[in-house]
Amino acid sequence: EADIYQTPRYLVIGTGKKITLECSQTMGHDKMYWYQQDPGMELHLIHYSYGVNSTEKGDLSSESTVSRIRTEHFPLTLESARPSHTSQYLCASRENEQFFGPGTRLTVL
Amino acid sequence: KNQVEQSPQSLIILEGKNCTLQCNYTVSPFSNLRWYKQDTGRGPVSLTIMTFSENTKSNGRYTATLDADTKQSSLHITASQLSDSASYICVVSDRGSTLGRLYFGRGTQLTVWP
Repeated sequence: EADIYQTPRYLVIGTGKKITLECSQTMGHDKMYWYQQDPGMELHLIHYSYGVNSTEKGDLSSESTVSRIRTEHFPLTLESARPSHTSQYLCASRENEQFFGPGTRLTVL
Repeated sequence: KNQVEQSPQSLIILEGKNCTLQCNYTVSPFSNLRWYKQDTGRGPVSLTIMTFSENTKSNGRYTATLDADTKQSSLHITASQLSDSASYICVVSDRGSTLGRLYFGRGTQLTVWP
């Protein structure tokens, strides 16, 4: 079992609220990723990081932002949630093998 | 354009039966191919990873094959169990950058009935 954690697992929130999805890994990996996945669809990369103070946008445009102040922590923030942000968000980290967290299912009403 | 295509999109089989899932890719340059199992509401979990020189790899009842010439891979599940019900995702990595970019298929949704 990979040591990568995400909280919360489920979140239902109203439009306009600010939210932060937490992701932590204890494997010491420099590379970390955020993916967005809608039901029955492939994973889309929205953010990635090579290490502390390094963040890049992925393939899918996202209004979210990320930060990487510590190696083990890679939180994702939405300043003003909208219904279009409803999705599953998966965090991952990688050395040679890529490990995924359990995901956060976000619903914006 | 680098792509990963999986078939079938969904599959229903009876418990105890075997099945084979397909993955075709156009990713170049190729680095490796992975099969992941994703249970509903969970993150994907790695089943196998194969590099260019490997053409078969097993993990228990799961056997993956790779034909790098035709850019095809298959995942064979033997003696299926109810717990095999999940989405199976084919992921191909390129060698084009330090990141080793991953390309994801949409997955095959497998349902195993008792």
